[in-house]
Order: sequence, then structure tokens, then C-alpha cells
Amino acid sequence: AQSVTQLDSQVPVFEEAPVELRCNYSSSVSVYLFWYVQYPNQGLQLLLKYLSGSTLVKGINGFEAEFNKSQTSFHLRKPSVHISDTAEYFCAVTKDSSYKLIFGSGTRLLVRP
Amino acid sequence: DAGVIQSPRHEVTEMGQEVTLRCKPISGHNSLFWYRQTMMRGLELLIYFNNNVPIDDSGMPEDRFSAKMPNASFSTLKIQPSEPRDSAVYFCASSLDSGSFVGTDTQYFGPGTRLTVL
Repeated sequence: AQSVTQLDSQVPVFEEAPVELRCNYSSSVSVYLFWYVQYPNQGLQLLLKYLSGSTLVKGINGFEAEFNKSQTSFHLRKPSVHISDTAEYFCAVTKDSSYKLIFGSGTRLLVRP
Repeated sequence: DAGVIQSPRHEVTEMGQEVTLRCKPISGHNSLFWYRQTMMRGLELLIYFNNNVPIDDSGMPEDRFSAKMPNASFSTLKIQPSEPRDSAVYFCASSLDSGSFVGTDTQYFGPGTRLTVL
């Protein structure tokens, strides 16, 4: 069965510092990978997705992620975070490349001034 | 577009009562998803509709849960009778399905309904 592991439940970081949120998945077949962000009391919003092609994917709000097939990872990065980036971030993979999203447990990014 | 609309945003009810959650997908979208978010289990897909037809309800916890989509612009998730363990945030999402049931289509989430069952 496919699964998604987000190793860090919370990542504190100072404003303007770089950040990396880790995501590993387990799958024996090709997958589609996603990062979603959830701001407090709001629904999830797509940051970026990897379907095929270039392994470096750029998303909204200055975020990017790199697909690494050999390490089965899809880590999310931002070179300089803002206070407004404080939110919960979810990595997700589609099950057997179907519509069914399997979500990780989430990583809470806490940006401090 | 107003995005996916869910109502109510908050619902507090007593055990045994019937609860109905409502969702209006983005106009033109033909796929609709209901998710549940809890601390223990994270985000789980409950049911998936395509062109108003339930395609996959394998995530529905038990018979107390039912979902309908009478037309392209409205869906309901009903819990009868409700229990304290149903307390969670319920999200509705919609997407414009390309027709091949593959996961390339972006799902747009509503703000969620926070359900508390006492």
C-alpha cells in the first residue's frame, strides 16, 4: 500500500531563513506528488504538483520541490520564509496514479520574527 | 469564482442527532470529494463522485454515513445517528476531471465544516 511520511510534525524557523519540509513516499509504481498548504481555519490549497518531466517543480508563493525517485522523496523548499508562511503543509501522493490522494500527517511550519 | 462553498462552517450537536453537511462545488467541475480530518487519522477520503455518480465510497466509515449528489452544484454528507467519534473537520473538494480518473487534476478544497458531537 502506498503511504506518505512527513518526518517533522513541526518546523520552527526565523523569518527570512530558508526552510525544507521533508516528505517520503512508498510506492512501487509511478506516482503523482503534491504539496498542499492549510492556513488556520481554511481549506487546503495546492502549492505545487509533480506529474512528470523536470524533477524540480516550482509552485506558488516562492515554494519549490524536488522529486527524487531513487530516494522516494519530494521535499519542499523555500529560500526565504515570511511570517505569512506559517501554516500546516501536507504532502500527498495519488494511489496508483488515480484520483485517490493519500496525505501525509502534515508539518506545521512556524515562522518567527 | 467563489470557490468551493461549505455550510455550516461549525456544527455542534448531541450524540444521536442527525447531521447534514452541505457542499457547493466550483461551477463546471465534474468531480467532487468528501474528506474527513482528525488528529488521529489525518485526512481521509470518504467518498468520490464523478458526474454526480458515486464512484468510490470505500472510505465511508459505516452505514451511519451517507452522501448524495442530486445535481452538479450540490452535495450533502449526512450522519445519522451521530456519535462523539464523528467529531472532525469535514472538507469538500472539487476538480475538473479530465475523464481518465487519473490524479493529475487539481482538487480545490472548501473551508471545511468543523463538527463537534457531544
